[in-house]
Amino acid sequence: DIQLTQSPSFLSASVGDRVTITCRASQGFNSYLAWYLQKPGKAPKLLIHSASTLQGGVPSRFSGSGSGTEFTLTISSLQPEDFATYYCQQLNSYPFTFGPGTKVDI
Amino acid sequence: EVQLVESGGGLVQPGGSLRLSCAASGFTFTKYWLSWVRQAPGKGLEWVANINQDGSEKNYVDSVKGRFTISRDNALNSLDLQMNSLRAEDTAIYYCARHGRDRGWGGDQDSRALDMWGQGTMVSVSS
Repeated sequence: DIQLTQSPSFLSASVGDRVTITCRASQGFNSYLAWYLQKPGKAPKLLIHSASTLQGGVPSRFSGSGSGTEFTLTISSLQPEDFATYYCQQLNSYPFTFGPGTKVDI
Repeated sequence: EVQLVESGGGLVQPGGSLRLSCAASGFTFTKYWLSWVRQAPGKGLEWVANINQDGSEKNYVDSVKGRFTISRDNALNSLDLQMNSLRAEDTAIYYCARHGRDRGWGGDQDSRALDMWGQGTMVSVSS
């Protein structure tokens, strides 16, 4: 199984900050890496697929990069609605594992 | 409206069974792989199982193999998850979700990420 770790696990930030979250994999794979945002009591929402492709309707302040074993999600200027938990997921091989999450809080 | 709506959750005793359903609408159901993803209270996301467009391919996380069965009814635009021999650690919100139409899966996109999610249904396993 491909294990994913995320760093940091918790991030305290302010509106307007640039935020970077890293997702590391136990073994390298191609670009089947996705990022999701989840707010309390809500279903996750897809932000980025294929490591760096912005999902339709997602603001351009979100971006993704990386390949192999290290991937990053960057929010260029944090907005109030971005305070949430972020998860990465690999869809390269079964089981399709998620990272443990990064909570972005004020 | 394009949506997925789960139902069937509830309280069940350890060793019991439960069948979850997910009703899809607003898109061509037969073109998509579908997954179940769960989230234990206060915990992260865990992918559980998925199924291809015609139901001929199914994949499961090891912890549910032999106990859970994913299925779909393309005539009814419905996805199911039959859960048997339930354990306390199966307690979670269960989400159904739609995969992107990846080219490797017979689609026309470069993504298999989960691009649409239901609101979830809660399953509690307790005596």
